[in-house]
Amino acid sequence: NAGVTQTPKFRILKIGQSMTLQCTQDMNHNYMYWYRQDPGMGLKLIYYSVGAGITDKGEVPNGYNVSRSTTEDFPLRLELAAPSQTSVYFCASTRNRQNYGYTFGSGTRLTVV
Amino acid sequence: AQKVTQAQTEISVVEKEDVTLDCVYETRDTTYYLFWYKQPPSGELVFLIRRNSFDEQNEISGRYSWNFQKSTSSFNFTITASQVVDSAVYFCALSEGGGADGLTFGKGTHLIIQP
Repeated sequence: NAGVTQTPKFRILKIGQSMTLQCTQDMNHNYMYWYRQDPGMGLKLIYYSVGAGITDKGEVPNGYNVSRSTTEDFPLRLELAAPSQTSVYFCASTRNRQNYGYTFGSGTRLTVV
Repeated sequence: AQKVTQAQTEISVVEKEDVTLDCVYETRDTTYYLFWYKQPPSGELVFLIRRNSFDEQNEISGRYSWNFQKSTSSFNFTITASQVVDSAVYFCALSEGGGADGLTFGKGTHLIIQP
C-alpha cells in the first residue's frame, strides 16, 4: 500500500496565482484532512471530509477550497495565493477514529513570493 | 473547545540522558484519544503512540515510555538513554470522540540530543 500520497512535494507560487495540492489514499479511509504547519507552530486544520461528497471547514479555511468526489482523493485548492499561505501542507486520513490512528502524507512545501 | 499545550519549546540534552516531554490537554469530552508524533528533520510525521481516555495504563516501548494521568490532564513522554537519532520535533495531539474534526496539535517540542 502506498498510504497517503501528496503531490507536489515542493512548489513556488507567485502572488495571485492558483494551484491545487493533490492528496490520494489507497486505504479506503472515510475521513480525510488537510493541515498546514507554520514554523514553530503545530499543525492547524484547514478542511476535513468524513466521506465522499461531504466536506467541512476547520480552524483556518480562508483562502482555500476542497472537494471530495471520491473516497480516494481530497484535493486542496488555493485561489489567489498570498504570502500568508507559505507553509507546509499535510494531508491525513483515517478509517475510524475510535480504533485507528491517522496516516499522514509526506507534505507539500509551498512558498508564495 | 479542545486544546493541547506543550510548554517546552526546545530541550537540549547530552546523549544518554533521560528526557521527558510534557503535554497537557483540555477537553470537555469524556471519550478522547491522545497521540504523540515525531517529526525528524526530513519533515515527515511519524506516529508513536495512541491512547484512549479509558486506558490510563502507562506504556513502555523500548526506550520510550508514556505516562497518562487523567487527574492532571497530562500525557507525558519520556525517552530513556537518549540518542542523537532522537533529535526531532515531537508533537502531542488530541482527538475528541464526539466530533470528526481530526487532531488538535500542540505547538511541538524541539528536542536536541547532543553527542
